[in-house]
Amino acid sequence: SQKIEQNSEALNIQEGKTATLTCNYTNYSPAYLQWYRQDPGRGPVFLLLIRENEKEKRKERLKVTFDTTLKQSLFHITASQPADSATYLCALEKTGGSYIPTFGRGTSLIVHP
Amino acid sequence: KAGVTQTPRYLIKTRGQRVTLSCSPISGHRSVSWYQQTPGQGLQFLFEYFSETQRNKGNFPGRFSGRQFSNSRSEMNVSTLELGDSALYLCASSLAKAGGTDTQYFGPGTRLTVL
Repeated sequence: SQKIEQNSEALNIQEGKTATLTCNYTNYSPAYLQWYRQDPGRGPVFLLLIRENEKEKRKERLKVTFDTTLKQSLFHITASQPADSATYLCALEKTGGSYIPTFGRGTSLIVHP
Repeated sequence: KAGVTQTPRYLIKTRGQRVTLSCSPISGHRSVSWYQQTPGQGLQFLFEYFSETQRNKGNFPGRFSGRQFSNSRSEMNVSTLELGDSALYLCASSLAKAGGTDTQYFGPGTRLTVL
């Protein structure tokens, strides 16, 4: 069955360091992968999209990589700040081309000052 | 452009009751999706409406239903509420361009508590 796995344990890092979050998937052949940020009690907010033919995508302090051989995406936040503390979700479109993304359960990031 | 709005933001109901949640998508967005989010299950897809038709459906019982109006606004209904229905219900809208990616723009959610 299709599965999206994100580390359920919170990631704790010090301010200024680079945070790296992982998204692994099985039984998917996604055309693209998305990353969202979610703050407590609020809806997810879209951050970045990377297509299967792209190895890396950057936006300000954010970087996403996509390895379709390893079936893995890495999400990096450089020079992290306490304001980056949130849950980060990866999402793949549902197989069959329905364009409805399926979300991982997210990883909580805590940046300590 | 105004974002996705959901009403009400908070709701308390008792078991057996029925509830209706409302969602207004971003102007120009024709697709509206509903999700249930709980700590145990994460973000679970309920259904998607496009041009007033249910186009995709998740694995939820028939107690969960919805509809979309001609102005793209959508409602979600849950009948015969159960304790396990307590969750954050999120609505998301998207452009749903043919052949394109489908970035979801989420509303703030409705926090439903069933007592």
